Amino acid sequence: GDSVTQMEGPVTLSEEACLTINCTYTATGYPSLFWYVQYPGEGLQLLLKATKADDKGSNKGFEATYRKETTSFHLEKGSVQVSDSAVYFCAFNNFNKFYFGSGTKLNVKP
Amino acid sequence: SAVISQKPSRDICQRGTSLTIQCQVDSQVTMMFWYRQQPGQSLTLIATANQGSEATYESGFVIDKFPISRPNLTFSTLTVSNMSPEDSSIYLCSVRGQDGETQYFGPGTRLLVL
Repeated sequence: GDSVTQMEGPVTLSEEACLTINCTYTATGYPSLFWYVQYPGEGLQLLLKATKADDKGSNKGFEATYRKETTSFHLEKGSVQVSDSAVYFCAFNNFNKFYFGSGTKLNVKP
Repeated sequence: SAVISQKPSRDICQRGTSLTIQCQVDSQVTMMFWYRQQPGQSLTLIATANQGSEATYESGFVIDKFPISRPNLTFSTLTVSNMSPEDSSIYLCSVRGQDGETQYFGPGTRLLVL
């Protein structure tokens, strides 16, 4: 069935390090793909999205490219900040149903 | 995007009691969704609430335990009934955006059952 597989955390990085959080999906059809971020004590916020193959979503220095051939949507940032410490969820919408990954906790140390 | 508020933001409740969580959206929406996020876990959909009809519950969730009201297009409530410690979770209200695909979330209600 449809599902999202996300890199397990926690991921601990030093400030200004490069970040990649891997996400792959299994879906029938051609879903829209999303990354959400959950800061401590808050709800989920939309970080970025891509709706078709080869689309790149970007926001706040984060990027992810919809790779249909590898069914992946990896989240990247060139230089992380302490304020990026949060839990990141990969998700997709397929036929009006949302599927979430298990979440990856990112800790950025000064 | 939609602006969603929830009340209460957190609560500590005794076993056997019930808590009603309110969700208010700043625009009219057809469908509202209620999710549960257990500690350190991902999101699980509890039910979908359409205005003017009974909520649709996902497998493993029943109306007697999680009754939902949807009196109008901007408001919904979720009640967690006869609570046990296993109900300790974050409960999130969500709506679909105007693009029909993106989901937006409220800040969540953090529930601890003792």
